Amino acid sequence: DTEVTQTPKHLVMGMTNKKSLKCEQHMGHRAMYWYKQKAKKPPELMFVYSYEKLSINESVPSRFSPECPNSSLLNLHLHALQPEDSALYLCASSRATSNQPQHFGDGTRLSIL
Amino acid sequence: AQTVTQSQPEMSVQEAETVTLSCTYDTSENNYYLFWYKQPPSRQMILVIRQEAYKQQNATENRFSVNFQKAAKSFSLKISDSQLGDTAMYFCAFMEAIQGAQKLVFGQGTRLTINP
Repeated sequence: DTEVTQTPKHLVMGMTNKKSLKCEQHMGHRAMYWYKQKAKKPPELMFVYSYEKLSINESVPSRFSPECPNSSLLNLHLHALQPEDSALYLCASSRATSNQPQHFGDGTRLSIL
Repeated sequence: AQTVTQSQPEMSVQEAETVTLSCTYDTSENNYYLFWYKQPPSRQMILVIRQEAYKQQNATENRFSVNFQKAAKSFSLKISDSQLGDTAMYFCAFMEAIQGAQKLVFGQGTRLTINP
């Protein structure tokens, strides 16, 4: 069982839809991350939150909008996505100190029609 | 910027054999952390082992061990007595410390298949 829970596991949406991905952890971690992973490629960092504040945005298009409402939750709001945005979206969390490993969720498989 | 290179896109061994996955990296830092993550078809990224650069002793976790050569900037993973459940994508990662968090730089991955 994963300690980082992501919902939904699968999502199919049209380019005009608005949807949200959710991520939850109860390990007391104060750093949370969103990654995008294409098939047979490594994860690519999108956003980093530290103590509920956005600390890194890796030049992600504005059609992706992250939100961290509290220390346990991380959302990724999606709007007007493109077919090339189809991918596995992984959430991770870690302690805020720099020597602790990240714990990953199972991911959301997103398909854009 | 840090870079991580995994030169073996795919590897295949028989069950119970030992296999070594290679990883090299480039950094100008002296203190840092390195990780191996495993990603089976179930998709979850699972931490296999980690190494702290200031420690000379190679890390071990049961059947998994690393050969860390700091001067050569090499960080290989050895899997002993391989099992069918070890079949997965393996990613080597370098950790950059950032304020209040961290950033992982991943290699391109090695797809490992354990054959019965």
